Amino acid sequence: NAGVTQTPKFRVLKTGQSMTLLCAQDMNHEYMYWYRQDPGMGLRLIHYSVGEGTTAKGEVPDGYNVSRLKKQNFLLGLESAAPSQTSVYFCASTEGLDYGYTFGSGTRLTVV
Amino acid sequence: DQQVKQNSPSLSVQEGRISILNCDYTNSMFDYFLWYKKYPAEGPTFLISISSIKDKNEDGRFTVFLNKSAKHLSLHIVPSQPGDSAVYFCAAKGTYKYIFGTGTRLKVLA
Repeated sequence: NAGVTQTPKFRVLKTGQSMTLLCAQDMNHEYMYWYRQDPGMGLRLIHYSVGEGTTAKGEVPDGYNVSRLKKQNFLLGLESAAPSQTSVYFCASTEGLDYGYTFGSGTRLTVV
Repeated sequence: DQQVKQNSPSLSVQEGRISILNCDYTNSMFDYFLWYKKYPAEGPTFLISISSIKDKNEDGRFTVFLNKSAKHLSLHIVPSQPGDSAVYFCAAKGTYKYIFGTGTRLKVLA
């Protein structure tokens, strides 16, 4: 069982470039999430999805877009990367909130 | 406005002693809480949970206490071990999502 897999693990982007982070889960979970972790800021929710074809904004959605075309995949897009988006990004999924989240191992993104 | 707060960014404890990590929340409607542990270069992993119908939950060396009137929870680790050195996040269950605190970095000194 792979759990939650994030691709890529590391990436360096130049300001203005675009990229997509992929999150894939094999647990048939309904709910999926993208968080970013920054020093002193904890885990902040970017976007989330409560089922295939649905997305919703979290706490810090600006500059990001998401899509959930298939139940097992949740994509996070950066259309025009900015240095402020340098962070570690975590994807998580759950079958229901009382079970807590299963997190991926993270994507470290640097925007120069 | 931060709904879940961990006011201690870091904590150092001697091996074998008790570690106490604290978490405060502002919304009295929160009724379920989790603690996660995070090692460097890894994703957070679930540690222990507590429902608002309880004031204590134990799992081995880990105990979480909930004081609803004070809107405060704490994680006790006894005895602390060097392998417990990590960042600990508390989280409160909101609508469709968890709200995380800023984390406390625990260092257990051998």
